[in-house]
Amino acid sequence: KQEVTQIPAALSVPEGENLVLNCSFTDSAIYNLQWFRQDPGKGLTSLLLIQSSQREQTSGRLNASLDKSSGRSTLYIAASQPGDSATYLCAAKDFSGGYNKLIFGAGTRLAVHP
Amino acid sequence: DTGVSQDPRHKITKRGQNVTFRCDPISEHNRLYWYRQTLGQGPEFLTYFQNEAQLEKSRLLSDRFSAERPKGSFSTLEIQRTEQGDSAMYLCASTRAGPETQYFGPGTRLLVL
Repeated sequence: KQEVTQIPAALSVPEGENLVLNCSFTDSAIYNLQWFRQDPGKGLTSLLLIQSSQREQTSGRLNASLDKSSGRSTLYIAASQPGDSATYLCAAKDFSGGYNKLIFGAGTRLAVHP
Repeated sequence: DTGVSQDPRHKITKRGQNVTFRCDPISEHNRLYWYRQTLGQGPEFLTYFQNEAQLEKSRLLSDRFSAERPKGSFSTLEIQRTEQGDSAMYLCASTRAGPETQYFGPGTRLLVL
């Protein structure tokens, strides 16, 4: 059974810092891995999607990497801003049962203070 | 922008009542998913439709839960005889095909008193 873990659970940094959020998964047979952002009380916004054949994806100040062999993904945020404050969730697209569904970690709550 | 929409956004009900939520996916998306998220946790998969066919149901989906997607467009999730443990955010997502990004709606927050 696929399990996804995110470390740290919470992070508080000053504005301008570069930071790394970690995601690990137990079953390397994933289809892809997605990173999402969730603001309090809101739905999820997709940030980056990495296919199982890819190593990394970049969008603006965000870079996500994937290492299937070690069961890890990282989300790198460059030059953090207060507007980046949110919960960041990673999710592995799992093939168990034959149908695609996302298995989520519990998230990392990020606070960027001015 | 016609993203995924959900209705209602908030629902407060008394224990034992039935509630129904609606999800309208992005129009060309044939796959639709329901997830449940409790405070401080990531979303958990509930069920999945491809067009009108419900292809997978999680063990989290007890007999009190039923989901439909009658014409392969919008979907409804009904909870009968609600319990306080049903209080959560119910999220809907849609996608066109397996490798593509799942797009999430804003969610319906349910509070059972």
